[in-house]
Amino acid sequence: GQNIDQPTEMTATEGAIVQINCTYQTSGFNGLFWYQQHAGEAPTFLSYNVLDGLEEKGRFSSFLSRSKGYSYLLLKELQMKDSASYLCAPMDSNYQLIWGAGTKLIIKP
Amino acid sequence: GAVVSQHPSRVICKSGTSVKIECRSLDFQATTMFWYRQFPKQSLMLMATSNEGSKATYEQGVEKDKFLINHASLTLSTLTVTSAHPEDSSFYICSARVGGEVDGYTFGSGTRLTVV
Repeated sequence: GQNIDQPTEMTATEGAIVQINCTYQTSGFNGLFWYQQHAGEAPTFLSYNVLDGLEEKGRFSSFLSRSKGYSYLLLKELQMKDSASYLCAPMDSNYQLIWGAGTKLIIKP
Repeated sequence: GAVVSQHPSRVICKSGTSVKIECRSLDFQATTMFWYRQFPKQSLMLMATSNEGSKATYEQGVEKDKFLINHASLTLSTLTVTSAHPEDSSFYICSARVGGEVDGYTFGSGTRLTVV
């Protein structure tokens, strides 16, 4: 079956760095997305990885290891506005996104 | 970047009535639209996939006669919740994809439906 595993909730301090891990199992693989979702809002695109390695985009970076079925999202210089849920969504062989429940990130001053 | 406009953002309706939700791709042609439902603190659940000019493909357990999807043009897809009941209260979100381009996975702003 298809499965996503992320921590349910994480807490970090403003200005710090946090890494959100994601392991996945899918029927085929066509890349992996990370989305940010604030409460009551739709998800917004953060990153897309299809090859192994690290993709850096400003304060956010995303890493992928296809052989391990593993990805992480790294957030640097945390700001209060980064408090949100972070969704790891791999894309299967049918180009469908597979969604987990996401990781709720709480930023404290 | 690609923008999907979704309306209404919030709607409250009486039980037994129907509600239509619209999603428009503003600056690109969306050959495929995905409709999701999300209950509080839960993951996005794919309801159906609609392709322009053809019938939507519904996920298992989603009643096609209750959730009517129309994708009549490359820029507009609609979801109509018919004979709504309180258990249909949820957050409905559309997402559009441009052909096979992964960059085209863009979400609408979502619709909060409350059935009273």
